[in-house]
Amino acid sequence: GQNIDQPTEMTATEGAIVQINCTYQTSGFNGLFWYQQHAGEAPTFLSYNVLDGLEEKGRFSSFLSRSKGYSYLLLKELQMKDSASYLCAVLDSNYQLIWGAGTKLIIKP
Amino acid sequence: GAVVSQHPSRVICKSGTSVKIECRSLDFQATTMFWYRQFPKQSLMLMATSNEGSKATYEQGVEKDKFLINHASLTLSTLTVTSAHPEDSSFYICSASGQNDYEQYFGPGTRLTVT
Repeated sequence: GQNIDQPTEMTATEGAIVQINCTYQTSGFNGLFWYQQHAGEAPTFLSYNVLDGLEEKGRFSSFLSRSKGYSYLLLKELQMKDSASYLCAVLDSNYQLIWGAGTKLIIKP
Repeated sequence: GAVVSQHPSRVICKSGTSVKIECRSLDFQATTMFWYRQFPKQSLMLMATSNEGSKATYEQGVEKDKFLINHASLTLSTLTVTSAHPEDSSFYICSASGQNDYEQYFGPGTRLTVT
């Protein structure tokens, strides 16, 4: 079966750095997405990785290792507004998005 | 670019009535649209995928006669919840992608409450 694992909840301090991990086992791979979702709102796109390595975009970076079936989202200089759920999703061989359950990130002052 | 709207944002209806939710891509042609449901503190659950001009493909466990999906044009898809019951109360979110574009652009969601 297809499976995506990410921690249920994480807590970090304002101004710090946090890494949210995602491991996946899917039938084929055509890329991995990270989305941010604030409570009561729809997800918003953060990043897309299809090749191994680190993609940096401002305070957010996303890393992918296809051989390990592993990705992480790195958030630097955390701000209170970063409190949200972070969803990992993999595009499988049928180009269907397989969603993780999301990681709820709590930022404390 | 790539803006998706959803209407209404909130709806309250009585049990047994039907509710229609519209999803529109405002600045691109959405060859594929997706309908998701999300219960509180849970992840997105894909209900169905629809391609313009063809019948929607429903996920296992989703009743196609209860959740009617129409994707009549490249900019509009509708989800009708028929004979709604309180257990259908949820956050319904649509997303859309263009041809050869696998990123999904999400609408703002519709919160349905069935009393």
